[in-house]
Amino acid sequence: GNSVTQMEGPVTLSEEAFLTINCTYTATGYPSLFWYVQYPGEGLQLLLKATKADDKGSNKGFEATYRKETTSFHLEKGSVQVSDSAVYFCALSDLYGGSQGNLIFGKGTKLSVKP
Amino acid sequence: DGGITQSPKYLFRKEGQNVTLSCEQNLNHDAMYWYRQDPGQGLRLIYYSQIVNDFQKGDIAEGYSVSREKKESFPLTVTSAQKNPTAFYLCASSLAGSYEQYFGPGTRLTVT
Repeated sequence: GNSVTQMEGPVTLSEEAFLTINCTYTATGYPSLFWYVQYPGEGLQLLLKATKADDKGSNKGFEATYRKETTSFHLEKGSVQVSDSAVYFCALSDLYGGSQGNLIFGKGTKLSVKP
Repeated sequence: DGGITQSPKYLFRKEGQNVTLSCEQNLNHDAMYWYRQDPGQGLRLIYYSQIVNDFQKGDIAEGYSVSREKKESFPLTVTSAQKNPTAFYLCASSLAGSYEQYFGPGTRLTVT
């Protein structure tokens, strides 16, 4: 079945460091891919998305490129800030699940950025 | 402002009691979802509903029940049959056929 695998955390970086959070997927067909962010004690917010191969999603300095050949959607940011501390979830659209609209989430990667 | 509200933010119950978590949205979304979040487990789908008066079980529906009598509302009942109910519960919604889900702030349920 479809699945998402994220790098295990926690990830601890100093402010202004480069961030990469790895995400790989297994899927039938051509799913859409998403990154969501969850700040402490809150719900999830959509950070960025890509709907087809080679698409690059970007938002708030974060980027991720849909790589079909490596089945990956790694999240990157050139210079992280303390305010980026959160849990990041990679997700894909479950095209062949029970119904359209369902997402499959990775387990999340906690990022802590130190001043 | 459009959005999803969940209430209360924190909920405490004694073992053996049923408890209902509220989820309301004013985004005019057709689809609504309930997830459970446990540390290190990511999000697991409990129930989802694509239209009013219809809903389907997700991956971990046992011990839970839902209703969808209105488009705006999708309450979740955690029954006494749920063996490990303590968790963070998230409600989400989306337009019909869209994979872009919008999440509420969550309810943290503690059962002792």
